[in-house]
This record gives sequence, structure tokens and C-alpha cells, in this order.
Amino acid sequence: DSGVTQTPKHLITATGQRVTLRCSPRSGDLSVYWYQQSLDQGLQFLIHYYNGEERAKGNILERFSAQQFPDLHSELNLSSLELGDSALYFCASSPTRLAGYNEQFFGPGTRLTVL
Amino acid sequence: AQSVTQPDIHITVSEGASLELRCNYSYGATPYLFWYVQSPGQGLQLLLKYFSGDTLVQGIKGFEAEFKRSQSSFNLRKPSVHWSDAAEYFCAVGLITGNQFYFGTGTSLTVIP
Repeated sequence: DSGVTQTPKHLITATGQRVTLRCSPRSGDLSVYWYQQSLDQGLQFLIHYYNGEERAKGNILERFSAQQFPDLHSELNLSSLELGDSALYFCASSPTRLAGYNEQFFGPGTRLTVL
Repeated sequence: AQSVTQPDIHITVSEGASLELRCNYSYGATPYLFWYVQSPGQGLQLLLKYFSGDTLVQGIKGFEAEFKRSQSSFNLRKPSVHWSDAAEYFCAVGLITGNQFYFGTGTSLTVIP
């Protein structure tokens, strides 16, 4: 158990809909990272937040957005969903803002299925 | 272009045999190097990491990795594979400059009895 929690575990929705994925980092970790894992794209970095502020953006679509709240939990919002958004979405956390330096602790993931 | 390469998409080994998973990187400076493992249906777990010093690092579950600067490689090894090692293995690099972290495409390991 990494200490990172993600809800829900599974999510099934229809095209065009909007969903919110939630992540609670390990106690004491200030950084939260979001990743998308699909069979054809592999593990793709989406976005990094540190202590409520966006630190880095990866291959995140404009239809997707994220935020980190004062209690350090984070939410990833996916809107106007398409079939191709079906994937496993991981959240990870680390203690500092230095993404390149710290080990990242991964949650169990949320499996999103868009029908 | 900057990249992390895991040239083997899939590897099959017999239980008890030795294992080596390859990882090469292409960056201007020596990055921080990591190996993660993902068991089926699970999140990623850190096996080991290299920041500096001794180029042979020991990790959990009997894994080790060797950093070779001249080859820009960080290969993962295990002398005797167990059936429970069947999983997806990801090499990753971290760059302090630019605050960046990159994963390789992964190597899927199958262990046969």
C-alpha cells in the first residue's frame, strides 16, 4: 500500500459526458502527478501540482483539467469524453516540488471506460 | 531528441533463470534513474533508484541495476526469476532542470514454469 488513494476504482460513462477523478496523496507529500495509461499510448504524464500550484504540464488535452486543493487532494476533470479517453488514470505523489529527483508513490488507479 | 528507450517490449524467461531488462536514455546530463514494476491491475511500485555514487544499486525483491555512463544505460537484473516477478517493468528518468520525469514504454515479463 503506497498511501495514495484514488476514487473511484472503476468508472463507466458515455461519450460526451464529464467525470471527476479524485486523488489523495500520501501524508506529508505536497506534489501530485496525474498519468494516463492506455494500451496504444503507454504511460503518459498529464500534469504536476505542487502545494496547490501547477508545476508542469505534459500531454494533457484541453478537455482535461486538474486542480489541487488546500488539503492537498487533487481532482482530474475529464470533459466531452471520447472513446479514446478510455484508459487507466494514475495519481502519484512525492514530498517535494522536484519531479526529477523524488521517487513517486502511485495510487491503484481509476479505470475509465467510455462507451 | 530526449528519450527513454526500453528496446524489449516483451520478454519470456523460465523460472529460476537470470533476467536482464534494458534501458537506455538520451539526455544531455546524467539524469536520476529509476525502475518501477507494475503487477497486473496494480499501480507502479519503485524497485530501485540511482542518483550518484556506486553505479551498482540494489533494490527490493532481489533486483539490482547498473548505471553505465558510457553507454547511457541503466539495465535491470535479477539472478533468479520467480513466477511472482511476472509484471510490467518501467524505466524512468528524472531531470532536475525543467522539473521533468519521463517513463519508458515498458517491458512485459512473462515467467514460465
